[in-house]
Amino acid sequence: GESVGLHLPTLSVQEGDNSIINCAYSNSASDYFIWYKQESGKGPQFIIDIRSNMDKRQGQRVTVLLNKTVKHLSLQIAATQPGDSAVYFCAETDPWMDSSYKLIFGSGTRLLVRP
Amino acid sequence: KAGVTQTPRYLIKTRGQQVTLSCSPISGHRSVSWYQQTPGQGLQFLFEYFSETQRNKGNFPGRFSGRQFSNSRSEMNVSTLELGDSALYLCASSLQGRGEQFFGPGTRLTVL
Repeated sequence: GESVGLHLPTLSVQEGDNSIINCAYSNSASDYFIWYKQESGKGPQFIIDIRSNMDKRQGQRVTVLLNKTVKHLSLQIAATQPGDSAVYFCAETDPWMDSSYKLIFGSGTRLLVRP
Repeated sequence: KAGVTQTPRYLIKTRGQQVTLSCSPISGHRSVSWYQQTPGQGLQFLFEYFSETQRNKGNFPGRFSGRQFSNSRSEMNVSTLELGDSALYLCASSLQGRGEQFFGPGTRLTVL
C-alpha cells in the first residue's frame, strides 16, 4: 500500500482495548476540528468533528475531546478492532476565511491493532 | 451516491513536464479542495474552488494551478515538474466549503 508517512508516531494497542490518539493544534483561533482516518491506498475518511464551543463529542465507538486552554485534541476509540488500524489525522480550520474551510492537518499517528 | 473520483490514480512523469489531474466531486457538492500529501510535509492545502472561482489558496508556487467547471468538476495542473512534486494529490468535495469534506482516493504522481 501507499505510505502516508515514513516517520509517524505509532500507537500499538491490543484488540479490544481502548485507544487514545492525541493532537496538538497550532492556532488558538481555530474554531472547527476534524479527525480523519486514512487507510493504505485510500483518501482520508471523516470520523468525527467538534466545534470550539464544545469540549466533548461522542460518536459510535469514538469520542473527541477538545482542550482549548492547552490547544489539545484527542480521539478515543473504544474496543479497538483490527479494522481501526490506519493513520489518524487531526485537522483544524483556518478561521480567517469566512467563506470556506481550509483544513490544516497534523502530522498523523499510526494506529496498529494487535490481534 | 457515488463518492469523489479522481483520475488518473497513478501517473509517472519526468522533470520539466506538466501534468493535469482531474477530480469529480460528489453530486450536488459545489466546493472542491485540493491537497498534497508527502511523507515529509504531510497533508498540505493547495487551493479551493467554489462555483468556478478560486476562494482560497495555500502556499504553493505558481506552477500549481487549478480550475473548476460549471458541473463542479475540477482539474489541477502542475507545470515544469520537479522531483519534489512527487506526492499523493487528494481532492475533497463538500456542499458549500464549510463542514465535512469528503476525500477521493488520490492520484499518485511520481516525477523521475
